[in-house]
Amino acid sequence: DAGITQSPRHKVTETGTPVTLRCHQTENHRYMYWYRQDPGHGLRLIHYSYGVKDTDKGEVSDGYSVSRSKTEDFLLTLESATSSQTSVYFCAISGRDGTYEQYFGPGTRLTVT
Amino acid sequence: KQEVTQIPAALSVPEGENLVLNCSFTDSAIYNLQWFRQDPGKGLTSLLLIQSSQREQTSGRLNASLDKSSGRSTLYIAASQPGDSATYLCAVVPTTSGTYKYIFGTGTRLKVLA
Repeated sequence: DAGITQSPRHKVTETGTPVTLRCHQTENHRYMYWYRQDPGHGLRLIHYSYGVKDTDKGEVSDGYSVSRSKTEDFLLTLESATSSQTSVYFCAISGRDGTYEQYFGPGTRLTVT
Repeated sequence: KQEVTQIPAALSVPEGENLVLNCSFTDSAIYNLQWFRQDPGKGLTSLLLIQSSQREQTSGRLNASLDKSSGRSTLYIAASQPGDSATYLCAVVPTTSGTYKYIFGTGTRLKVLA
């Protein structure tokens, strides 16, 4: 157990509603990542962070924003949810031990109706 | 642009068989290659990490090898068991990214038959 949790674990929301997903780690890893996993597309990087207040875009960042005000927490916000953002969202961490081995959270299943 | 491919997409084997899963990547300039296991409805579990200077890593019945020059990695599972049934994913960190961003393959879904 790499000490990483995600909340909520399941969420159903309506189109146009803002949604925030939280990733929390207790292991002091430098890097934190948000991915989405969809059938036929595999895992795709949305945004990542390489330190407090340091974030950058991944390959599917449109419609998403992130914030990291503390080492432990990385928030993913869907400003105005759309049905195409229905997915399973995973948070991951790496970098504490210098090898950059990546550890994943349990995931959040988001349904936008 | 780095691309990661895993073939086959699905594999069924009888219990006890030794098997090899394949991972190919298009650019040999990588920091790391990592193998993961994912059970249905669950997150990814790290199995093995191979750093660019290493050729292989072993953990129990698992052995992963890395050949950067040919852009290939294999995950060898000895004496497979029904509990090994899962999706196996590989991921690489390209050095050209300038940071530790992983590129994932789409996985091999393994079923071990009792």
